Amino acid sequence: NAGVMQNPRHLVRRRGQEARLRCSPMKGHSHVYWYRQLPEEGLKFMVYLQKENIIDESGMPKERFSAEFPKEGPSILRIQQVVRGDSAAYFCASSLPRRAGTQYFGPGTRLLVL
Amino acid sequence: KNEVEQSPQNLTAQEGEFITINCSYSVGISALHWLQQHPGGGIVSLFMLSSGKKKHGRLIATINIQEKHSSLHITASHPRDSAVYICAVEETSGSRLTFGEGTQLTVNP
Repeated sequence: NAGVMQNPRHLVRRRGQEARLRCSPMKGHSHVYWYRQLPEEGLKFMVYLQKENIIDESGMPKERFSAEFPKEGPSILRIQQVVRGDSAAYFCASSLPRRAGTQYFGPGTRLLVL
Repeated sequence: KNEVEQSPQNLTAQEGEFITINCSYSVGISALHWLQQHPGGGIVSLFMLSSGKKKHGRLIATINIQEKHSSLHITASHPRDSAVYICAVEETSGSRLTFGEGTQLTVNP
């Protein structure tokens, strides 16, 4: 049973480009969470999604960031017009569809904006 | 004041020592998680607690809901335990996790 998969593992973008980060949850998991870890800082919640539905996006920056979890395929975190401050590790986690379920983390995508 | 506070921030121990990392929180929670982040950056979920105590190998996690406090203990520590240990709470209002700043543990041989 494969764990949570994220790709790419490393992504380099120039300022103004778009970044697309993908997350495939564990088999049977329909809940996906995205977290961001800025350099030398702790993890921060960004968004919580179920299939075709955003449950909680209170941690998402108001502009340039969007997330989706379609019926088929991985969850996508999209960052438009990236800036240097977007450089961070982005982690995805998935869980079973119940409250207080263990969240299983992916290996993360390290985004570097030049 | 952060909703989740960990202590100490940094901890250095000799191999074989008993280690305790503490976590205090200020919000109502449905569960508390202990996570381990290795130097390569990957995150592993160690425990999820809503009451009492859990044990897995040399790791023990306890939680006191009334005092809003949890501890992670490592018995017979080993250099491979060196990592950042992160406490995270799942608030009763939702499923999102709120994280502590982490404790950097270094175990010397």
